[in-house]
Amino acid sequence: GGIITQTPKFLIGQEGQKLTLKCQQNFNHDTMYWYRQDSGKGLRLIYYSITENDLQKGDLSEGYDASREKKSSFSLTVTSAQKNEMAVFLCASSTGAGQLYFGEGSKLTVL
Amino acid sequence: GDSVTQTEGLVTLTKGLPVMLNCTYQTTYSPFLFWYVQHLNEAPKLLLKSSTDNKRTEHQGFYATLHKSSSSFHLQKSSVQLSDSALYFCALSAAYQGGRALIFGTGTTVSVSP
Repeated sequence: GGIITQTPKFLIGQEGQKLTLKCQQNFNHDTMYWYRQDSGKGLRLIYYSITENDLQKGDLSEGYDASREKKSSFSLTVTSAQKNEMAVFLCASSTGAGQLYFGEGSKLTVL
Repeated sequence: GDSVTQTEGLVTLTKGLPVMLNCTYQTTYSPFLFWYVQHLNEAPKLLLKSSTDNKRTEHQGFYATLHKSSSSFHLQKSSVQLSDSALYFCALSAAYQGGRALIFGTGTTVSVSP
């Protein structure tokens, strides 16, 4: 088996701040994803990457940047945090065949 | 475009009763559907998946059948337990530029009482 590790688990930022979330996987999966989870809205795709140095925009990419410098890691940057924003960001990986394996999430609070 | 609809936001029921969570989808491609379960403060985990029409798939007492004729993949269980209290997501494998990703429904919270 494998594991997906997200850091930090909790992130508190100020309005306008640039904030970065990190994700590591040891499944040796090619594809990695970042989803945003908001109450009542399900999971929405921000970015995904099918291989090292590849980036693909999802439905919610505006306001975010991503980076895949290694096969095992995928980072997400909130370029300018919005006041009162609160969400959980979920990282996942997949062989590409369909099933996703998720990390436990990083909870963002913007003051 | 592709989409997934879950009509119930919250389902509350008593231990031992049956439950059905609705999931319908829209896609122009051959559908591949999933159910994920997320317990409080945990990662979402795969519960069921199917791409075969009219074949029941089961896991941990839950079951679902993909019906392409009605674009549905409803999740059922005959007798819920307290430990089934969780958030359930239906998801559809969809084509994006460069690859595939899952599109999720808005989720259904199941709350089971003693």
